[in-house]
Amino acid sequence: LAKTTQPISMDSYEGQEVNITCSHNNIATNDYITWYQQFPSQGPRFIIQGYKTKVTNEVASLFIPADRKSSTLSLPRVSLSDTAVYYCLVGPPLDTGRRALTFGSGTRLQVQP
Amino acid sequence: EAGVVQSPRYKIIEKKQPVAFWCNPISGHNTLYWYRQNLGQGPELLIRYENEEAVDDSQLPKDRFSAERLKGVDSTLKIQPAELGDSAVYLCASSLVGGTAKNTEAFFGQGTRLTVV
Repeated sequence: LAKTTQPISMDSYEGQEVNITCSHNNIATNDYITWYQQFPSQGPRFIIQGYKTKVTNEVASLFIPADRKSSTLSLPRVSLSDTAVYYCLVGPPLDTGRRALTFGSGTRLQVQP
Repeated sequence: EAGVVQSPRYKIIEKKQPVAFWCNPISGHNTLYWYRQNLGQGPELLIRYENEEAVDDSQLPKDRFSAERLKGVDSTLKIQPAELGDSAVYLCASSLVGGTAKNTEAFFGQGTRLTVV
């Protein structure tokens, strides 16, 4: 199982763009990169998933270089409500392989006014 | 559509007492997971069900933990007897595995915060 490394914490201000980078040097060919968000007293929530290049949805963008050994979650113009823990997960899709999510310790993002 | 529902939200018990958590997954989801989350850490898988079958319980401490998913819908996780180190948030999640749509995510409940004193 590919190990992920991400910063323990990050600070930002409202309106800024936040980029959280995750390293996954041992990513396997059939692994996808998935990001989850967790607010205090809630369960994690899916944000975005990608395999290569760039993926964008209404919440975030995910940038994956050609070697796929790292990925960057980009949150445009953050607000106070984006304060949360962000988890980078690497593994096969839930309908293949291990079929379960493996979480690390995540990145605690604090957005200041 | 209702999400994953867990109860109770909070539970405080004395050590050596039993405790049970209940989970109602999203309707139609065939896969159900129980995770445990310690303070400041990410969730750790305890057990995964596909329909009513426990297909991965390698991380479940079987001496005191048990789980069941009757009829492949609701699930119960039990601890007996509880220890101080069991204090954590217990999260239930569900997903739809298989079918024609590519599965992308699991949906989590709000969790049950257990405090053992």
